[in-house]
Amino acid sequence: EAQVTQNPRYLITVTGKKLTVTCSQNMNHEYMSWYRQDPGLGLRQIYYSMNVEVTDKGDVPEGYKVSRKEKRNFPLILESPSPNQTSLYFCASSFGRDNEKLFFGSGTQLSVL
Amino acid sequence: GDSVTQMEGPVTLSEEAFLTINCTYTATGYPSLFWYVQYPGEGLQLLLKATKADDKGSNKGFEATYRKETTSFHLEKGSVQVSDSAVYFCALSDSDKLIFGTGTRLQVFP
Repeated sequence: EAQVTQNPRYLITVTGKKLTVTCSQNMNHEYMSWYRQDPGLGLRQIYYSMNVEVTDKGDVPEGYKVSRKEKRNFPLILESPSPNQTSLYFCASSFGRDNEKLFFGSGTQLSVL
Repeated sequence: GDSVTQMEGPVTLSEEAFLTINCTYTATGYPSLFWYVQYPGEGLQLLLKATKADDKGSNKGFEATYRKETTSFHLEKGSVQVSDSAVYFCALSDSDKLIFGTGTRLQVFP
């Protein structure tokens, strides 16, 4: 089954404790992206990657890191989480720049205390 | 920059009622337009799309027409069901990303 898998589904952590949210897709997609969803703000792009070893900042990259060492994986790293990073995070992927066929993961609800 | 504005929710309807969710956009070019749906506890799914002016996207009884003159892409359905309860996002394509509206929650009661 074609899917984008995120883990964990829920995460509660404390300020400053490094964490990683994993994202994996099994569709051989070149393009992968991270969004955060906040009430009243919709979805905002954090980082995206056009292919292996190619990553770029989105609209709200501060406080986040990503890596793309393999085509299928695109982890989101919070080196020193802060309470304003409490949010619902979505990973998405598609072929090339074909935004018309974005596949989304089920989301990761992060709470930073 | 490009942006999308949606009507605020929640929208509360009885089953079989007519649905309209308004969406307007601001863009320098001629982007593709989309409606995504998010069911409780799930990620977003593409509902329908339109790639140029006057195109009508349709899926599962939902429709939206790309109106360049009014810069709008309103979502409509003639008869909603309880199973349509979800959050609906209007979006436009902007090079390497989608720009989303804030989402509109639809609640349908029997």
